[in-house]
This record gives sequence, C-alpha cells and structure tokens, in this order.
Amino acid sequence: DTEVTQTPKHLVMGMTNKKSLKCEQHMGHRAMYWYKQKAKKPPELMFVYSYEKLSINESVPSRFSPECPNSSLLNLHLHALQPEDSALYLCASSQDGGYQPQHFGDGTRLSIL
Amino acid sequence: DQQVKQNSPSLSVQEGRISILNCDYTNSMFDYFLWYKKYPAEGPTFLISISSIKDKNEDGRFTVFLNKSAKHLSLHIVPSQPGDSAVYFCAASALYGGSQGNLIFGKGTKLSVKP
Repeated sequence: DTEVTQTPKHLVMGMTNKKSLKCEQHMGHRAMYWYKQKAKKPPELMFVYSYEKLSINESVPSRFSPECPNSSLLNLHLHALQPEDSALYLCASSQDGGYQPQHFGDGTRLSIL
Repeated sequence: DQQVKQNSPSLSVQEGRISILNCDYTNSMFDYFLWYKKYPAEGPTFLISISSIKDKNEDGRFTVFLNKSAKHLSLHIVPSQPGDSAVYFCAASALYGGSQGNLIFGKGTKLSVKP
C-alpha cells in the first residue's frame, strides 16, 4: 500500500481541455514532487515544493501549473496539452529536501487525444 | 548525457541465490544514492539508500555498496525470492550541489527470480 495517493489513476483528455491531477500524503512530509515518466524511460523531475513553496521548476512548459494548497496536498493543473505530454505522472513526498528518501504514489496515466 | 547508468537491462537469478544489480554514475557532485523497486502499474517503492559518507548500508536482505572512487554502486539481495522480481531503479541526488530533491534515475534493470 502506497502512502502517497494520486487521483485519478487514468485520465484521457483533449488538447483544449482543462484538468487537474491530485496528490495527497499524510506522513507529515514537507517536500513534494511531480515527475513525468515516458514509456521505457526513467522518471524525470518537473517540480519541487518545499514547505509549500515552489523551490524547483525544471523548465516545464506553462501548460503545466503546479499548486500546493497545504502541506498534505499537491495539484498539477493541465491546460492545452499536446499529444507528446501523454505519460505517467508521478507524485512523491519526502520528510524534507535532505537525506531522506522520496516516497512515490502509483501515478496518473495521462493520454492526450 | 546519462548521469546515472544501469548497463544491464535484465538479470535472471535462481531463487535462494544472490542478486547483484549494478549502477554507475558520472556526476561527482552526487552525494545521496537510492534504490527503488517497481512493479507494473505501481509507482517506485523505496528500498534502501546510502549517503556518500558511507560505503555500505544494510537492511535485511538488501545491502547497498558505494565505491566513490569508481563512481559505482551495487545492490545485493540475499537470498533472492520470486517476489523480488521487478524493475530496479538506481537514483542519485546532489543535495549540496544546488539540486536539492532532484533525483536522477537510471533506466532500470529488470530482475527475474526463478523458483
């Protein structure tokens, strides 16, 4: 059982839609992350939130907009995505940004039509 | 430019024997290393980690060895069990190199443990 919960598990959307991915953890972690994983590739970091503030944005296009409403929740708002954005989106959390492991959710499988 | 390399895409081991998964890295700023296990349709599950001040860390059947001079780490699983069959990812981070939280993953090694 994962302690990082992501919803939805699957999402199909058109290029003009607006949708959001949600991530929740109740481990008291203060750092949360979004990763993107394409088929047969390793996960790649998109964003890092540390103590509810965006600390790293790995040059992600503005059609992806992260939000951290509180220390337990992390959202990823999607708008005007492209077919190449189809991927597995993974959320992770860690105690803080130091020498503690990141714990991952099971991801949202996103398909852009 | 791959900073973390897992050169063996797959490994097959007999149940009860030792599994050794290898990982090489190129960035000398990496100071924290982790191994994750991934089953299909699930996210990566943390297994074990090691910081650069150590050369060995052990947790039950899992041991990670770090050789900084060779920029090489390995994961030993003893004894291997069929439930260990999964894809194993090596990951590294440069916590004091300005890349806090940025885990760089290798491409993974698929381990098959045969009964």
